[in-house]
Amino acid sequence: AQSVSQHNHHVILSEAASLELGCNYSYGGTVNLFWYVQYPGQHLQLLLKYFSGDPLVKGIKGFEAEFIKSKFSFNLRKPSVQWSDTAEYFCAVNAASGTYKYIFGTGTRLKVLA
Amino acid sequence: NAGVTQTPKFQVLKTGQSMTLQCAQDMNHEYMSWYRQDPGMGLRLIHYSVGAGITDQGEVPNGYNVSRSTTEDFPLRLLSAAPSQTSVYFCASRVASGTYEQYFGPGTRLTVT
Repeated sequence: AQSVSQHNHHVILSEAASLELGCNYSYGGTVNLFWYVQYPGQHLQLLLKYFSGDPLVKGIKGFEAEFIKSKFSFNLRKPSVQWSDTAEYFCAVNAASGTYKYIFGTGTRLKVLA
Repeated sequence: NAGVTQTPKFQVLKTGQSMTLQCAQDMNHEYMSWYRQDPGMGLRLIHYSVGAGITDQGEVPNGYNVSRSTTEDFPLRLLSAAPSQTSVYFCASRVASGTYEQYFGPGTRLTVT
């Protein structure tokens, strides 16, 4: 069965610090990978996605993620965080073979101190 | 274009009561789904639909019913509310093929006492 692990449950950073949030998935086939963000009091929004091609994908607000197939990982990065990046971040996996189901990780709460 | 809308935003129920959470989308998306979000557990799929008249169970379907009579609407029914169903519920939709990006509604915060 598919599963997604996000090892960092809570992260606290100061503004301008670099961010890396881990995401590992378990699935033997080809996958589509996503990072969603949920700002306080808001609904989930897509940050970035990977389907195929260049394993380094860039999303909105300066975020990027790298797909490393051999490690089953899709880590999210940002070189310099801002206070407005305070949010909860979810990694999600969808099997590329046609099933509709997404599997979400448990989320990482990021707090950025001004 | 309103996207995905959900009503109500907040609801308090007593144990044993029933209610329907409404979800509608105006993007003509084939796929719609319901998730619940609980602290430390991420989002878990309750039920989903791949088109009008077609629904299927997700990870945590017990205690919930769905139907999909139109492309636009996908209501979630709680048959007999239990405290374990206290959660935030999100509806999402997407097209059947292509980007696979899901669009989420604003959520319904449900408390069962």
